[in-house]
Amino acid sequence: SNELTQPPSVSVSPGQTASITCSGDKLGGNYACWYQQRPGQSPVLVIYQDTKRPSGIPERFSGSNSGNTATLTISGTQAMDEAEYYCQAWDSNTAYWVFGGGTKLTVL
Amino acid sequence: QVQLQASGPGLVKASETLSLTCTVSGGSISSYYWNWIRQPPGKGLEWIGFIYYSESTNYNPSLKSRVTISLDTSKNQFSLKLSSVTAADTAVYYCARELWEHGAGYGMDVWGQGTTVTVSS
Repeated sequence: SNELTQPPSVSVSPGQTASITCSGDKLGGNYACWYQQRPGQSPVLVIYQDTKRPSGIPERFSGSNSGNTATLTISGTQAMDEAEYYCQAWDSNTAYWVFGGGTKLTVL
Repeated sequence: QVQLQASGPGLVKASETLSLTCTVSGGSISSYYWNWIRQPPGKGLEWIGFIYYSESTNYNPSLKSRVTISLDTSKNQFSLKLSSVTAADTAVYYCARELWEHGAGYGMDVWGQGTTVTVSS
């Protein structure tokens, strides 16, 4: 079972805002990261340390983390954003990375 | 720019040891954490473990008894060994780079292309 819970799927219309949540005790006091994975491709880091965007990631991607829930927000969603999204958090008690189960974002 | 290339046998027999290597090109293996992650067919990501360039390691508790990650700085490579494999270990295996500073991770910013390993009975 996943210790980080994500909704299996989220749908959004082009140009609208998509929000994907990730919840779990391991998020309390620990940073979250988010990855985008398109079919047949390797994951790509889109958010690290809750809110930071790596170089080359569009500004429409943003993140937040409060309490035990982290949220990835995609503003002005585009067709190219359709992908699986995974959250990740560090379990500081046992010192290992945990991934959420993934959320399939559909842009219809 | 840094690139990672995972390689190894695509087919491993059940009960044997899976061995993969990740070659780092375009950059040094120093100062980073080097991760292995896997993804069973149609499923999500599972972190296997990482090694720091100082050769300290951390492993997923669920796999710890079967996993060894090692580093060869002379070849700019790091490796994964997973023993006593079963069909449940069939997956795409990825290697990835990660930076840590001041006790906080910066996420896995460079990933290899992934290599598929099938465990046969």
